Amino acid sequence: GNSVTQMEGPVTLSEEAFLTINCTYTATGYPSLFWYVQYPGEGLQLLLKATKADDKGSNKGFEATYRKETTSFHLEKGSVQVSDSAVYFCALRDAGDYKLSFGAGTTVTVRA
Amino acid sequence: NAGVTQTPKFRILKIGQSMTLQCTQDMNHNYMYWYRQDPGMGLKLIYYSVGAGITDKGEVPNGYNVSRSTTEDFPLRLELAAPSQTSVYFCASSYSGTREETQYFGPGTRLLVL
Repeated sequence: GNSVTQMEGPVTLSEEAFLTINCTYTATGYPSLFWYVQYPGEGLQLLLKATKADDKGSNKGFEATYRKETTSFHLEKGSVQVSDSAVYFCALRDAGDYKLSFGAGTTVTVRA
Repeated sequence: NAGVTQTPKFRILKIGQSMTLQCTQDMNHNYMYWYRQDPGMGLKLIYYSVGAGITDKGEVPNGYNVSRSTTEDFPLRLELAAPSQTSVYFCASSYSGTREETQYFGPGTRLLVL
């Protein structure tokens, strides 16, 4: 079956530090890959996505590249802000599968 | 455009009680989904619907029921609540069921069963 593994948290950073959250996946088909973000007390919002190999998704300074050869979709941001404090979920959706398969989530806290 | 809305935001139930979690979307999406989020874990699909009148089970359907009488609404029914159903419930929707399509999530309903 399909599954997503992402690095365990929590992660605590200082403002302007570099953030990377590792995500690897297993899939039976050729999935699309997503990063969702959940701010405190809110629902999930799409942060970025990539639908084919070597695609780079980007939004709000975050980037992730779909690496088929390493089955990875690592999230990066060069300079984090306090407002980036949230839980980040890596997810995939395979062809013919209605559900999103989620990783466990990584809690990120950015200190001023 | 409100997107996906859910009510209530928070509810406490006693074991054996029943309740309905409401979900409405105003984006004219055909596909709707119910997920649950347990602490430290990713979301799991409970039920989904590909259009009015059509529903199907997801990964964890036991103890739940759904209906889809309109495009906009997709209520989730809990019968005989159990402590194992303590969770945060998210409703989501998407225009199509293709793998590229983004699912849009509501703000969630936090349920505590005591």
